[in-house]
Amino acid sequence: EVLLVESGGGLVQPGGSLRLACATSGFTFSSYGMNWVRQAPGKGLEWVSYISYGSDTLHYTDSVKGRFTISRDNAKDSLFLQMNSLRAEDTAVYYCVRDVNYYEGLFDYWGQGVLVTVSS
Amino acid sequence: QSALTQPPSASGTPGQGVTISCSGSSSNIGGHTVNWYYQLPGTAPKLLIYSDDQRPLEVTDRFSASKSGTSASLGISGLQSEDEAYYYCTTWDDNLNGPVFGGGTKLTVL
Repeated sequence: EVLLVESGGGLVQPGGSLRLACATSGFTFSSYGMNWVRQAPGKGLEWVSYISYGSDTLHYTDSVKGRFTISRDNAKDSLFLQMNSLRAEDTAVYYCVRDVNYYEGLFDYWGQGVLVTVSS
Repeated sequence: QSALTQPPSASGTPGQGVTISCSGSSSNIGGHTVNWYYQLPGTAPKLLIYSDDQRPLEVTDRFSASKSGTSASLGISGLQSEDEAYYYCTTWDDNLNGPVFGGGTKLTVL
């Protein structure tokens, strides 16, 4: 069974930092690209970042470029999102999402999500 | 404002059929395949349709989808109460250089 479990969310002040983690199991993590997708309260889905299986390709949505860094540890089957200079508009549930075809917006398995709240 | 436009809401009665549209442009739907996800309140999204009209094995054939030009649509037949959820279309956008989601449609089964 494919499992994706996010952690690391919480309340942080504007300008602060958080590091999200996603522990995976049930599949060969090192063979898949991975994504972070977020959902602001009461809003729709927004793709945030992508990392290829070998970490050689990294992509970010414009609003987080220069502030967020995606990374992975294939030895530990884990995905990460380092979020710096956080803003109120970054408040959202962040989902760890397995990639099928990034260039067609096709994802298959999603974690349960972790809430990040940016507020003073 | 998403590059993909969906109606914010749709509704139908049990047993009826309903269609949800997803309108885009040549930089997204017109040049790439469309996928659909559904999301029950308080849960993570799940893949419903991929590559314009393909269903994962575990998805019932009450769900169908199609694409024409720069628009796509999701059809649900024989509505059931458990179909009440949010539905999102997604594809790649050449201008944004990344995946893009529609704004989502809340389906209510009356």
